[in-house]
Amino acid sequence: KNQVEQSPQSLIILEGKNCTLQCNYTVSPFSNLRWYKQDTGRGPVSLTIMTFSENTKSNGRYTATLDADTKQSSLHITASQLSDSASYICVVTNGNQFYFGTGTSLTVIP
Amino acid sequence: DAMVIQNPRYQVTQFGKPVTLSCSQTLNHNVMYWYQQKSSQAPKLLFHYYDKDFNNEADTPDNFQSRRPNTSFCFLDIRSPGLGDAAMYLCATSRRMTSSYEQYFGPGTRLTVT
Repeated sequence: KNQVEQSPQSLIILEGKNCTLQCNYTVSPFSNLRWYKQDTGRGPVSLTIMTFSENTKSNGRYTATLDADTKQSSLHITASQLSDSASYICVVTNGNQFYFGTGTSLTVIP
Repeated sequence: DAMVIQNPRYQVTQFGKPVTLSCSQTLNHNVMYWYQQKSSQAPKLLFHYYDKDFNNEADTPDNFQSRRPNTSFCFLDIRSPGLGDAAMYLCATSRRMTSSYEQYFGPGTRLTVT
């Protein structure tokens, strides 16, 4: 069964600290993996898209990694800001289908 | 530069009273999607259009219908909303159907059913 699991479910960190969010998937075949940021009450916004051959991709303070062998990805946020408070969703695709994780809710506190 | 616009942002309807949600795009993308997202859950695909071709997900209730009168606009009709239909409804677009293309999401419409 094609699934995407994210951990932790929620996370609270102090402003300025780093954090790492995890995504494990069983989707096969694999096409690409995306990380989205979803602010409360808003639609998801794409952070990164990675294909099979890409191990790391950065977007400002966001760095995503992909290990296609173990079917794991992580999203690392550096020097967190209050505006990073949001839900982060991992999406894995297999061609035409998009498989969504349930997200990690991140709260950054002053 | 809004690219995917959803109206209204908040909609309150009564149990059983039909409601229509609207999505428009300025990207000229071929594909438009409708997702339902309940609290703390992942978005769930209801259906999508590839140009005029409508594709319904197998588990989408008949209560949900969609129309795409032209490239720019797509509507979600809920014929008889139940309390369980209260959710955020997200519209998204992409240039092509294959997943190598980016999906652009609108801000969503929060539906409340009373």
